[in-house]
Amino acid sequence: DAGVIQSPRHEVTEMGQEVTLRCKPISGHNSLFWYRQTMMRGLELLIYFNNNVPIDDSGMPEDRFSAKMPNASFSTLKIQPSEPRDSAVYFCASSWEGAGRFNEQFFGPGTRLTVL
Amino acid sequence: KQEVTQIPAALSVPEGENLVLNCSFTDSAIYNLQWFRQDPGKGLTSLLLIQSSQREQTSGRLNASLDKSSGRSTLYIAASQPGDSATYLCAVRTLGTDKLIFGTGTRLQVFP
Repeated sequence: DAGVIQSPRHEVTEMGQEVTLRCKPISGHNSLFWYRQTMMRGLELLIYFNNNVPIDDSGMPEDRFSAKMPNASFSTLKIQPSEPRDSAVYFCASSWEGAGRFNEQFFGPGTRLTVL
Repeated sequence: KQEVTQIPAALSVPEGENLVLNCSFTDSAIYNLQWFRQDPGKGLTSLLLIQSSQREQTSGRLNASLDKSSGRSTLYIAASQPGDSATYLCAVRTLGTDKLIFGTGTRLQVFP
């Protein structure tokens, strides 16, 4: 199994530009999570999908952030317009959840975003 | 609101020592607790998952215990090796929420 795949691995952009991060979850998993990691705030959940439906987006910081999951094998996290304070490592994770059972979350390698 | 604390924040030990990393959480109503390791500049690797009904889980030299009533978990690493050097994170999933709440981690260095 290839694990969770994220692209790009590194992204450097200028303030005001649109940024799109991509994630392919592990095949067979039905839950997908986007996290952000910074030195100041540690790891924070941004949004959680189950069966392609957004379940909890309370962690999305602002309307500038949006996420989609058009199918079970692909998700995007978009920031428009980007700001320097969005600089962080963004992780995607996936798991299989159902019947009241929450299983291990497996993380991708992350995308390191720098907004100048 | 669930809060997760890890002690110590950093640890440096010689190779071969047995280690205990601590994780405490404020709300004992949890679904599960998961331990991860993170190498510098890398993603998180899942080490062990303990469901709320379980007391411990073992994988190789790693043993994690869970005392839900006291809000504590420990990760025991036997016979530490330089390759164990990494940051170790615990995370809990609280009943009634979908969020995995992470601790701030313990940065471990094992020197030869």
